[in-house]
Amino acid sequence: DAKTTQPPSMDCAEGRAANLPCNHSTISGNEYVYWYRQIHSQGPQYIIHGLKNNETNEMASLIITEDRKSSTLILPHATLRDTAVYYCIVRVAIGGSQGNLIFGKGTKLSVKP
Amino acid sequence: EPEVTQTPSHQVTQMGQEVILRCVPISNHLYFYWYRQILGQKVEFLVSFYNNEISEKSEIFDDQFSVERPDGSNFTLKIRSTKLEDSAMYFCASSVVLRREGANEQFFGPGTRLTVL
Repeated sequence: DAKTTQPPSMDCAEGRAANLPCNHSTISGNEYVYWYRQIHSQGPQYIIHGLKNNETNEMASLIITEDRKSSTLILPHATLRDTAVYYCIVRVAIGGSQGNLIFGKGTKLSVKP
Repeated sequence: EPEVTQTPSHQVTQMGQEVILRCVPISNHLYFYWYRQILGQKVEFLVSFYNNEISEKSEIFDDQFSVERPDGSNFTLKIRSTKLEDSAMYFCASSVVLRREGANEQFFGPGTRLTVL
């Protein structure tokens, strides 16, 4: 079973920041936090991952609390194309691989004009 | 940008028939995966494959399923005798090994929709 808890749905206005929370209170010290998204019925798409420090890439920022029990994915300027189901996944890295990803139900983000 | 491709995009088959779903992972990737998603449900891990052998498999991946890398580019999932409950979207994914410190992301293909009648 997924080790994360996410709200089932969120709305965001186009052009505004979307902040998606995730609780992972049982995370172990060697487990990473990964974020993927799935647009309609397409294959999941990697967004970002982190271990302890906050991370930023061209798609998003990941803020991990100091105790690592929760994190927030930030899409700084949401567009209609960001409407998707967002998955927060916690897993150990194995030999440089993320291993088998355990997907929960995720958060359905609806970006509205 | 390199991408994972899958064929066919949609496969319709009769119950009890064998199907082979095909995937071409990204060329320098060495970890390969199959996932499935029954309509309206979660994405579920089936199997991972590395160095020409299965690394991990889930409870779903029973004796009806098998995977193969028949050549240097293809990665296939075979279902020997399909059941109605095998109807789902099947996603192939691949990732590179030890490209950088930490965990390397998986790149997913567009999926094959399998319909078992």
